[in-house]
Amino acid sequence: GAVVSQHPSRVICKSGTSVKIECRSLDFQATTMFWYRQFPKKSLMLMATSNEGSKATYEQGVEKDKFLINHASLTLSTLTVTSAHPEDSSFYICSATTGTGNQPQHFGDGTRLSIL
Amino acid sequence: DQQVKQNSPSLSVQEGRISILNCDYTNSMFDYFLWYKKYPAEGPTFLISISSIKDKNEDGRFTVFLNKSAKHLSLHIVPSQPGDSAVYFCAALGGATNKLIFGTGTLLAVQP
Repeated sequence: GAVVSQHPSRVICKSGTSVKIECRSLDFQATTMFWYRQFPKKSLMLMATSNEGSKATYEQGVEKDKFLINHASLTLSTLTVTSAHPEDSSFYICSATTGTGNQPQHFGDGTRLSIL
Repeated sequence: DQQVKQNSPSLSVQEGRISILNCDYTNSMFDYFLWYKKYPAEGPTFLISISSIKDKNEDGRFTVFLNKSAKHLSLHIVPSQPGDSAVYFCAALGGATNKLIFGTGTLLAVQP
């Protein structure tokens, strides 16, 4: 149980392209989803928290207009990297939780984004 | 400011022996701690957790110990198996927030 699917697993595209990453909870309803970014040899850095039906809450230093998050349903959240540039190349991971009490977050397998 | 620290970037252990992974934290508001295991190009997988009201939680080969006064937790894996080779992250929750704060990870290599 508690499977989170993230798609695509890898994206390579040209600078200036917008890229959409999907995160789906397959067997539970995720009231809260999180988006992380992992830099090489660094820990996972939380980018934003999204609750179904409301605007995402972004961490300090994360550009809202750059990283658009939509959480339209209890099983789907999307992260769109708009007008991506090489410095946006990274490993992006989503997680989902039912949000009740101390429930572990369940992670997708991540998306390796490479901007040429 | 790294609130959750894993000071050992890597650890090598012989198969069958005990692996001990350590984690320190600075925020006394943290009240729930988790360990995740991560293989390359995959997302972290939840392993085991512990509430701050406990000092030990065991699940099969995995045991997590929490020392609140020292703000330290550790993950013990006994016996270690080659399939345990991965990066292990500790993470903390608390302070009226549902944000997970991760450590930098420890790469465990279990030698056959």
